[in-house]
Amino acid sequence: QSALTQPASVSGSPGQSITISCTGTSSDVGGYNYVSWYQQHPGKAPKLMIYDVSNRPSGVSNRFSGSKSGNTASLTISGLQAEDEADYYCSSYTSSSTLEFGGGTKLTVL
Amino acid sequence: QVQLVESGGGLVKPGGSLRLSCAASGFTFSDYYMSWIRQAPGKGLEWVSYISSSSSYTNYADSVKGRFTISRDNAKNSLYLQMNSLRAEDTAVYYCARVNGDYDLIWGQGTLVTVSS
Repeated sequence: QSALTQPASVSGSPGQSITISCTGTSSDVGGYNYVSWYQQHPGKAPKLMIYDVSNRPSGVSNRFSGSKSGNTASLTISGLQAEDEADYYCSSYTSSSTLEFGGGTKLTVL
Repeated sequence: QVQLVESGGGLVKPGGSLRLSCAASGFTFSDYYMSWIRQAPGKGLEWVSYISSSSSYTNYADSVKGRFTISRDNAKNSLYLQMNSLRAEDTAVYYCARVNGDYDLIWGQGTLVTVSS
């Protein structure tokens, strides 16, 4: 059982928007703004998409955005494209000075 | 351009040992914390360990504490993971990652460790 809770799967049609949630506690997501999101295509290494809750690294499309409310962080992908189909993981720093990940969400572009 | 190349993975028997290495380039290695993360086949990501830039601080997931040791050699721009008393449940792709200031990660391509008799 992962420490951070994500939906197992989400889906959307091209051009639509989807949101993936990541729920933790006040000891991780709620206590720090150190929430990141990673995209992983099959057989590939994860890629950083969002850091510090809502910041995008250079080179990441502005269709990707992040937010947080209380103990839940969210990743929103707007204008869905076929290439967005992948697994997405959230991560957070914790009060135990560890890192933890969500269980991952499989995004299907219909 | 940040490049992280893991090596040392392979097949090992339960109870055995293995040492993973990660060669870093494209950035000032000694300025950054580094981390190991693993992913069992078909499963999600699991943080394993991290080490501070000067090696003064390390931390481990409970699942590997006492069995795995993280270390680094800043002169060689290299990160290591010594894995002892390996178990079947340690079978995974092991990723080396650079830890940015706010605990976000830049990842290598991974190396597969299989623990089986």
